[in-house]
Amino acid sequence: GQQVMQIPQYQHVQEGEDFTTYCNSSTTLSNIQWYKQRPGGHPVFLIQLVKSGEVKKQKRLTFQFGEAKKNSSLHITATQTTDVGTYFCSFFNFNKFYFGSGTKLNVKP
Amino acid sequence: DTAVSQTPKYLVTQMGNDKSIKCEQNLGHDTMYWYKQDSKKFLKIMFSYNNKELIINETVPNRFSPKSPDKAHLNLHINSLELGDSAVYFCASSQGGRRTQYFGPGTRLLVL
Repeated sequence: GQQVMQIPQYQHVQEGEDFTTYCNSSTTLSNIQWYKQRPGGHPVFLIQLVKSGEVKKQKRLTFQFGEAKKNSSLHITATQTTDVGTYFCSFFNFNKFYFGSGTKLNVKP
Repeated sequence: DTAVSQTPKYLVTQMGNDKSIKCEQNLGHDTMYWYKQDSKKFLKIMFSYNNKELIINETVPNRFSPKSPDKAHLNLHINSLELGDSAVYFCASSQGGRRTQYFGPGTRLLVL
């Protein structure tokens, strides 16, 4: 079935370092969303990308959608301890949301 | 005001029991979902309802039965609970055509 591969599975960084998670699909996606789940919490919507090559920024977070619409990335500049959590990519197709396996980010103070 | 609420938050029960989880959303959305998140954090859709009609029914054992009495509520009943049912169950909602989902706080189910 349809799926997205998300890497890395885990990332441990020192506070202040940058972090990037990648989402890759074998098929062209019409849209991609990113969610953040804090430890013990629930997924919270961050952003949606729909255009080829689209780049969106939210403060220290930069989201990109590839030109071929088969991959996406989330980059965090100068991580903070508040960035700790699992980041999921997701896409919507045929009435259903598909989620990547998530990247768990740990930030050491 | 909580947008998507679930009860109970925690559920510890014995194998073989029957239990229900309730979900309510006050966002006026027309679509609601149940997800299962296992210990590895993988989120898997189980069911989806649009205006009280079942539109997605993934490969889920018959022991799981969703019910939507109205478009603001989606409940999940589980019969004959098994150890492998232990997980966090999330309810979510969205407005048809929009791809933003709002998740409830989750129900942590532990089957002993």
